[in-house]
Amino acid sequence: QSALTQPRSVSGSPGQSVTISCTGTNSDVGDYEYVSWYQHHPGEAPKLIIYDVNKRPSGVPARFSGSKSANTASLTISGLQAQDDGDYYCSSYAGNYAWVFGGGTQLTVL
Amino acid sequence: QVQLQESGPRLVKPSQTLSLICNVSGFSISSGDYYWTWIRQPPGKALEWIGYSYYNGRSHYSPSLQSRAVISLDASGNQFSLKLTSVSPADTAVYYCARRYWGSWYFDPWGRGTLVTVSS
Repeated sequence: QSALTQPRSVSGSPGQSVTISCTGTNSDVGDYEYVSWYQHHPGEAPKLIIYDVNKRPSGVPARFSGSKSANTASLTISGLQAQDDGDYYCSSYAGNYAWVFGGGTQLTVL
Repeated sequence: QVQLQESGPRLVKPSQTLSLICNVSGFSISSGDYYWTWIRQPPGKALEWIGYSYYNGRSHYSPSLQSRAVISLDASGNQFSLKLTSVSPADTAVYYCARRYWGSWYFDPWGRGTLVTVSS
């Protein structure tokens, strides 16, 4: 399986919205409703923020939302806050009990 | 609160075996319903799913690593391990352990990760 494609970096000012894309193929993102997103601050454990394309775990603010269209999934963060600064990774189930991840996107809150 | 923490040698020589342990606290790994997983990220590259092991000993690995990787559970120590044989510099990466619930398709929680460098 090939890695999912994410933009290397995105940025936004506090209060704005940003969207991070995650492009796969019709064998992973396009074939399953099992896209998840993780927030990673250096030195900490990656944290699940979206699962099954658009579901939020308990405790994750509603500012974080997910969606999918064809082979591309998206993470939108609205009302940007300073603590949103960090790396974001997408993942998709790819069939045959295997998973594929993206290369990560660095979000800078200006 | 479930917490996972990786440990092991930070430097491994080429052709040797990389061995890591993931210590689990706040949850018993033998309680079933969960898959205990290893994921890695080479410098500058995407995360890569390595494989998982279930409490009954059943394991599944990435096709690209299945000939070299073994994931085992140690119920008495409440930990699980990764052994990767015949390593090369391409195996240099941050290695993460994580948990996946049976019937779910995401990983939660994760450990902080540990950087392993393969070099002579």
